[in-house]
Amino acid sequence: QKEVEQNSGPLSVPEGAIASLNCTYSDRVSQSFFWYRQYSGKSPELIMSIYSNGDKEDGRFTAQLNKASQYVSLLIRDSQPSDSATYLCAVGSGGSYIPTFGRGTSLIVHP
Amino acid sequence: ETGVTQSPTHLIKTRGQQVTLRCSSQSGHNTVSWYQQALGQGPQFIFQYYREEENGRGNFPPRFSGLQFPNYSSELNVNALELDDSALYLCASSRAVTGAQETQYFGPGTRLLVL
Repeated sequence: QKEVEQNSGPLSVPEGAIASLNCTYSDRVSQSFFWYRQYSGKSPELIMSIYSNGDKEDGRFTAQLNKASQYVSLLIRDSQPSDSATYLCAVGSGGSYIPTFGRGTSLIVHP
Repeated sequence: ETGVTQSPTHLIKTRGQQVTLRCSSQSGHNTVSWYQQALGQGPQFIFQYYREEENGRGNFPPRFSGLQFPNYSSELNVNALELDDSALYLCASSRAVTGAQETQYFGPGTRLLVL
């Protein structure tokens, strides 16, 4: 059973701060990692994908992957109230085209 | 907007009824996956279709069935609806490439309420 674990939160940060969202996974052969943002009542939208160890930056977002520790994180710099949402981590394993989703972390950015 | 469309947006059914949900994939995508998302949970994988054939199935009973058409659009059928089937049903399309996991893009979802 492949598992993807996320702290459900809520994680509360002040506007302008860095929000750090974490995700661990159980399948050692996982090769693809995705972060989705989901606003209440809406469908998930892709923020970042990462496939190699290290950091990947896109605007205010940085994804960090450590395959040895089976850990992937998402940093949001200069957090804005509009970033308040649930962030879903999804992990895909080699040979499978079907990612496994975590239950998501609720982020609240307060003014 | 991802280019993935779903219909209907909302649906109310009663226990025991049957429902069909529809999804049109993004242009260039040949794979459609269906997910069920209960309130406060992450999306749970139901099944995936690739080139009109089922390409994987999650832990859902046989009363959940699907189809993919030559144009890569897809249907999810649920028979004998139960109260616990109330959820957001998400369709995600992707482009399957041998040996690689292509990113999935979600449609807006269909919210199903079973009374």
